[in-house]
Amino acid sequence: EIQLQESGPGLVKPSQSLSLTCSVTGYTITSGYDWSWIRKFPGNKMEWMGYISYSGSTNYNPSLKSRISITRDTSKNQFFLQLNSVTTEDTATYYCARYLDYYDGYYRYFDYWGQGVMVTVSS
Amino acid sequence: DIQMTQTPSSMPASLGERVTISCRASQGISNYLNWYQQKPDGTIKPLIYYTSNLQSGVPSRFSGSGSGTDYSLTISSLEPEDFAMYYCQQYDSSPPTFGGGTKLELK
Repeated sequence: EIQLQESGPGLVKPSQSLSLTCSVTGYTITSGYDWSWIRKFPGNKMEWMGYISYSGSTNYNPSLKSRISITRDTSKNQFFLQLNSVTTEDTATYYCARYLDYYDGYYRYFDYWGQGVMVTVSS
Repeated sequence: DIQMTQTPSSMPASLGERVTISCRASQGISNYLNWYQQKPDGTIKPLIYYTSNLQSGVPSRFSGSGSGTDYSLTISSLEPEDFAMYYCQQYDSSPPTFGGGTKLELK
């Protein structure tokens, strides 16, 4: 069974960096697909932040492009989110998810999600 | 970015009731539309992909339809476990974007 689990600090100070880890079991992240970060704000809005592909390439939401970095450690089957210069607007629950893609791109959806980790940005 | 407008934002409903949630895109998305369910414990799972395809393991009371800019999710007869949040998501163009969510509540 494929499982994803987020971890990281629940409280970050404004202007600092937010760093989260997604640990994946049941599937090797270099075997296929894209490995995403998505966040849900208070008030329920959801935002796709970006992904790292199985080959290591990255794709980011342009709204975050200057602040975001997604990397990975293939030896640990983990991928990471770093978001720089956070403000209170970055307070959200952060999810990692697998972005499935098959049938020549007709079918593309987030099929496995972590439980989410709540991050508050506050001094 | 393509804006996704989901209605209603909340919906009181009764067990056994048939409900429909709507999702409208700011431009045509060629059926590249998914639906997700988020349970009160935070768990998120896919329900429908590419407008009308049922994800494996999802009960057949869930169905999706639509075309162009307008899409919908229908639950034919509400069960207790269906009271949750629902989101649509387009993947016609990057970045993928989500609707604002619909909270299905017990009346």
